[in-house]
Amino acid sequence: EPEVTQTPSHQVTQMGQEVILRCVPISNHLYFYWYRQILGQKVEFLVSFYNNEISEKSEIFDDQFSVERPDGSNFTLKIRSTKLEDSAMYFCASLRLAGDLSTDTQYFGPGTRLTVL
Amino acid sequence: AQRVTQPEKLLSVFKGAPVELKCNYSYSGSPELFWYVQYSRQRLQLLLRHISRESIKGFTADLNKGETSFHLKKPFAQEEDSAMYYCALTGDSSASKIIFGSGTRLSIRP
Repeated sequence: EPEVTQTPSHQVTQMGQEVILRCVPISNHLYFYWYRQILGQKVEFLVSFYNNEISEKSEIFDDQFSVERPDGSNFTLKIRSTKLEDSAMYFCASLRLAGDLSTDTQYFGPGTRLTVL
Repeated sequence: AQRVTQPEKLLSVFKGAPVELKCNYSYSGSPELFWYVQYSRQRLQLLLRHISRESIKGFTADLNKGETSFHLKKPFAQEEDSAMYYCALTGDSSASKIIFGSGTRLSIRP
């Protein structure tokens, strides 16, 4: 069964550095998402992406964040200047949206643990 | 405000006992409700959704619009049910963002 993959599994960076988290969505999916989960807190929506543009973003997703689909397979999340509070697990998800409410669902990747020192 | 509330952070029951994980939601409109599960060292995965009205791994969940609840139930817990369970909702479209509850850790004692 196809799966969403994410790399790296764990990223350690210094405060102020740029990081790029990578995701490979399921190949025939058209909608892409990033979520994050700070340790001990709930999973929070960051951004959704469709047709090469952001369709929705949360208030967390400020100017320090950006997303890109640089080629036909990767979907990336960039944090320009990391802060300590960016330390979290970041999940990528993708959705096909075939119009069948009983099967349309977002499939999640395993996550990237980002640690900002 | 759009919100999903899971009042229990941890629920511990004996194997064979009934399980009920509570979930209440707040949403203006007609949300779609889900339960996601995360087993140890595995990814978040969909357990069930209210629109499918199906039973997965013995779990069921009934949407009660009057009480705005979507509690997850299983009559006889098994050790392999130990996991983190998240109640969640999306808006009118399946492409909408998912709003998660804070999760309940279910621990099944042998």
